[in-house]
Amino acid sequence: AQTVTQSQPEMSVQEAETVTLSCTYDTSENNYYLFWYKQPPSRQMILVIRQEAYKQQNATENRFSVNFQKAAKSFSLKISDSQLGDTAMYFCAFMKHEDGNKLVFGAGTILRVKS
Amino acid sequence: SQTIHQWPATLVQPVGSPLSLECTVEGTSNPNLYWYRQAAGRGLQLLFYSVGIGQISSEVPQNLSASRPQDRQFILSSKKLLLSDSGFYLCAWSYQREAGELFFGEGSRLTVL
Repeated sequence: AQTVTQSQPEMSVQEAETVTLSCTYDTSENNYYLFWYKQPPSRQMILVIRQEAYKQQNATENRFSVNFQKAAKSFSLKISDSQLGDTAMYFCAFMKHEDGNKLVFGAGTILRVKS
Repeated sequence: SQTIHQWPATLVQPVGSPLSLECTVEGTSNPNLYWYRQAAGRGLQLLFYSVGIGQISSEVPQNLSASRPQDRQFILSSKKLLLSDSGFYLCAWSYQREAGELFFGEGSRLTVL
């Protein structure tokens, strides 16, 4: 079974600074997807960024980028120019290829952006 | 545009009472549907998923059941709640094609006393 580990229960960052959230996973699969989801306080969870394992290039979405290290089974999220609206719980998630969009989530990291 | 709603948002129930949480999706057809439970410090655990009407797969043994009476309706139920059923329940949908993106509802906070 796949597992996803987020070793940082809480993080904080000053507005406009850069922060990196860590995620490691364990799998014997070769084809899979990795995701970062954001759950703002009292709001719906949304997808931040997605990475296909077969792609060597790291995914980026505006201020959000990932560092995908397949051999090390590491998938960290970097948030640049942090904004107050980035305050949220961030979940790392894994999905096997052709597995019906069934995601395995990590325990989450609470990120607080301070002004 | 597609929307997902689940209710009730908050529920306080005594041990041994029944449960019914509802989720509906609008603006799409034949979605995959999911029920997740979010426990503090443990992330989201997939409870049930469905690829069509009447087709339910359970991911973990538990005191809960799910049903999909209509294409865009997903119901989470229990006949007798346990204290351990307390938690935050999230309904989600995705397109049938593999994309990995789930669209989540607002969540339902269940407290069993």
